Amino acid sequence: DQQVKQNSPSLSVQEGRISILNCDYTNSMFDYFLWYKKYPAEGPTFLISISSIKDKNEDGRFTVFLNKSAKHLSLHIVPSQPGDSAVYFCAARATDSWGKLQFGAGTQVVVTP
Amino acid sequence: GAVVSQHPSRVICKSGTSVKIECRSLDFQATTMFWYRQFPKKSLMLMATSNEGSKATYEQGVEKDKFLINHASLTLSTLTVTSAHPEDSSFYICSAIRGGGVNEQFFGPGTRLTVL
Repeated sequence: DQQVKQNSPSLSVQEGRISILNCDYTNSMFDYFLWYKKYPAEGPTFLISISSIKDKNEDGRFTVFLNKSAKHLSLHIVPSQPGDSAVYFCAARATDSWGKLQFGAGTQVVVTP
Repeated sequence: GAVVSQHPSRVICKSGTSVKIECRSLDFQATTMFWYRQFPKKSLMLMATSNEGSKATYEQGVEKDKFLINHASLTLSTLTVTSAHPEDSSFYICSAIRGGGVNEQFFGPGTRLTVL
């Protein structure tokens, strides 16, 4: 069963606007969450992460928000740039599984001029 | 960031043959590497955890005799798809952990396997 879900397979956003990507999870043992960016035929590259003891982490144009009670996190990209067009994966790690990540299905982001 | 390479980047083989994919951490030592599989427009599915000097740990539903993993050194893990069939066609990605937190996990560029 899919423990990490990204229900929006695609997102189109205008350059300069905000991109909001959503991720839901079901496993309450997850204590660390990550976002990866992936281009076709390449491996994922790490973007930003958040520990379950926090509700927000910011790094430049990227901010991740975590709502533990709702088992929901989101990635905000602002302002969006054409180079942000890629597939974004949400991933989560459980407390007792150091290193093993569960991935969502990904969201394809297209930033239009 | 750290570099993880995979070889080959793509391979086409006939049904029934075996294919070996290499994963190398180029500038760091990795006691733990992971192998993932990705179907088109799907999530990355963890197949197995590869630990240097010991047997790999396979996820539920992954056939260990089908997907042989060897982690012979701190910089190299190999995945061998034995007696490959068309349903094994997929994108295989490895990752390596460089000491430290979970965000120190670096992914290889992937290997596209096509079995005819």
